[in-house]
Amino acid sequence: RKEVEQDPGPFNVPEGATVAFNCTYSNSASQSFFWYRQDCRKEPKLLMSVYSSGNEDGRFTAQLNRASQYISLLIRDSKLSDSATYLCVVNPGYALNFGKGTSLLVTP
Amino acid sequence: DVKVTQSSRYLVKRTGEKVFLECVQDMDHENMFWYRQDPGLGLRLIYFSYDVKMKEKGDIPEGYSVSREKKERFSLILESASTNQTSMYLCASRPRQGLVEQYFGPGTRLTVT
Repeated sequence: RKEVEQDPGPFNVPEGATVAFNCTYSNSASQSFFWYRQDCRKEPKLLMSVYSSGNEDGRFTAQLNRASQYISLLIRDSKLSDSATYLCVVNPGYALNFGKGTSLLVTP
Repeated sequence: DVKVTQSSRYLVKRTGEKVFLECVQDMDHENMFWYRQDPGLGLRLIYFSYDVKMKEKGDIPEGYSVSREKKERFSLILESASTNQTSMYLCASRPRQGLVEQYFGPGTRLTVT
């Protein structure tokens, strides 16, 4: 049983495209939700927290649907520098549960 | 800036050796974590600690132990290293409460030969 499920990709998109990642989680008691970004051979870093009302940070929009236990990340106007692995993260308690990540490659 | 440091970026050890991986954070965080990350398997939690001298098993504790004698330091110990423990090891820390970020160290790539 995997608590956080993501499509591993890879997603190959041209610069300027809009891309969406989805994630489902199994623990309905989860309290907080995040998207992390991990560049090749680097540690994961927080991209954004995900709030019930949805939230936006520049070109990035995150949505949470608690009833469906579903989280999404939308990236608009993709840049080459967005190429990375995006990790869906759920917090049911002390320790965060990480999805395996979705790989994004933005091409010129 | 929060800083989480790990004692080594790269480490090569022989099968059967005892291995110590050290992690230090400078933000007075209560919670500290050890993960390993392998291709296709993602991040898997080995152990975590929510206070000094406190520890909890994560998803894959077998073959590992931990020590937290001081708040800022969390050590991962491989009692007798095996080749299947070759991996990237990531330490992280986070404050006790709230919708807050978890900060990772740069990782230690351990190879057991």
